[in-house]
Amino acid sequence: GAVVSQHPSRVICKSGTSVKIECRSLDFQATTMFWYRQFPKQSLMLMATSNEGSKATYEQGVEKDKFLINHASLTLSTLTVTSAHPEDSSFYICSARERSYGYTFGSGTRLTVV
Amino acid sequence: GENVEQHPSTLSVQEGDSAVIKCTYSDSASNYFPWYKQELGKRPQLIIDIRSNVGEKKDQRIAVTLNKTAKHFSLHITETQPEDSAVYFCAASPQGGNQFYFGTGTSLTVIP
Repeated sequence: GAVVSQHPSRVICKSGTSVKIECRSLDFQATTMFWYRQFPKQSLMLMATSNEGSKATYEQGVEKDKFLINHASLTLSTLTVTSAHPEDSSFYICSARERSYGYTFGSGTRLTVV
Repeated sequence: GENVEQHPSTLSVQEGDSAVIKCTYSDSASNYFPWYKQELGKRPQLIIDIRSNVGEKKDQRIAVTLNKTAKHFSLHITETQPEDSAVYFCAASPQGGNQFYFGTGTSLTVIP
């Protein structure tokens, strides 16, 4: 099946630092990946669409300078939370589409900013 | 953009009973509607999906119905089991399967 790997699974960082989250499609190529954010007991909110070789498309209200997305290859997209603050603490999860299996989610990253 | 509403937010049923979760969407261009099950701390898993060219789809104990005119779709789980307990999310995709807009989730508890 289609597997999407996401790292790290958990990260704790100090306020003001940056954190990079990786999303990899292990056995398929993904020209498009998606980044979501999920607060506790709430729904998944689409943050941005990551396009291989081009700029990401951000949803309304998402700060592109704060959440930097890079999709440099067909199997890797990264989300960097810059100058993180406690309010950025959340569960971040990516997804990618494989032609036969449809959309698969990564395992998510629990970010805690202290 | 698309706005997806989901009800109820919590649902408790006795084992063996049926559970129904309902969603509405706003964008008439949406044509793909997946349902995801998310267990605590885990990634969402696709359980069933439906496209706008059909009105109903069934997979064993799970079924989904779609009413395009009314812009609503529902998840039906029959003969519920304790392992069905999880949070269920509906979603709508205005581009036939690219960006997803999720409902607010339903926490289902199946009581043994």
